[in-house]
Amino acid sequence: QVQLVESGGGVVQPGRSLRLSCAASGFTFSRHGIHWVRQAPGKGLEWVAVIWYDGSKKFYADSVKGRFTISRDNSKNTLYLQMDSLRVEDTAVYYCARGIEGGYGMDVWGQGTTVIVS
Amino acid sequence: QSALTQPPSASGSPGQSVTISCTGTSSDVGGYNDVSWYQQHPGKAPKFIIYGVNKRPSGVPDRFSGSKSGNTASLTVSGLQAADEADYYCSSYAGSNNVVFGGGTKLTVL
Repeated sequence: QVQLVESGGGVVQPGRSLRLSCAASGFTFSRHGIHWVRQAPGKGLEWVAVIWYDGSKKFYADSVKGRFTISRDNSKNTLYLQMDSLRVEDTAVYYCARGIEGGYGMDVWGQGTTVIVS
Repeated sequence: QSALTQPPSASGSPGQSVTISCTGTSSDVGGYNDVSWYQQHPGKAPKFIIYGVNKRPSGVPDRFSGSKSGNTASLTVSGLQAADEADYYCSSYAGSNNVVFGGGTKLTVL
C-alpha cells in the first residue's frame, strides 16, 4: 500500500544537527513533490519545506530557511531533511507528506518522527 | 507567513451539522483556489479530507464538504458521528511555493 515512513528523530542539544529520512513505498516516488510538516507539542501543524518531484526546486518556511535543507534520492525512494543549528523551538513531530498533482494539498502522510531539542 | 485563523473549538450533537471557518487574506485563501482540510485524531497523523476548496479524495464520505467566500474557507461536517470528533486543520497555498496552515479547530461531538 501507499506508505511513507519517517525515521531519524531523537534528542539533540541546541546548536547541533540531525538528519531525518522518509522512506516511500507503494507509489512512483519520482512523480510527486514531497513536503515536511511539523507539529510542536500541543500545537498546530506548521509547513516546513517542499521539494519538487525531480529535486530541482526546494522551498522553505521562513522559520527554517538557512538552517534546514530538504533533499531526495529518487533511486532510493527516500526524502531527507537535514536540520542544522537546531533550536529549542524546533522541538516537534516531523511528518513527511506526499503532495498532490496540480496543487499544494498533501494526500499521504507518514506516522511522524519526534525531534526534541534540549 | 501568518497562520490562517480558525476557531479553537466547535461542537455539535450526533446527526447535526457543524461548520468550521478558516480565515486568511487575499495573499492566501482569497488569492487561490487551493485550500485543503485535514482531520487529525489524537496521537495520529493528519488525514486528507478536502482539496481544491471543495473536492473530496476518494474514500472520504460526502458528509464532508468545503467552500470558500472571499478570504474565508469553510468545512462543513453534516450528519455528525462520534468518529468525527477530532482536530481539523485548513491549509492554503500562499504564493511563492509556500503553504500556510490554520491553527486548528477541536471538534467535539456532544
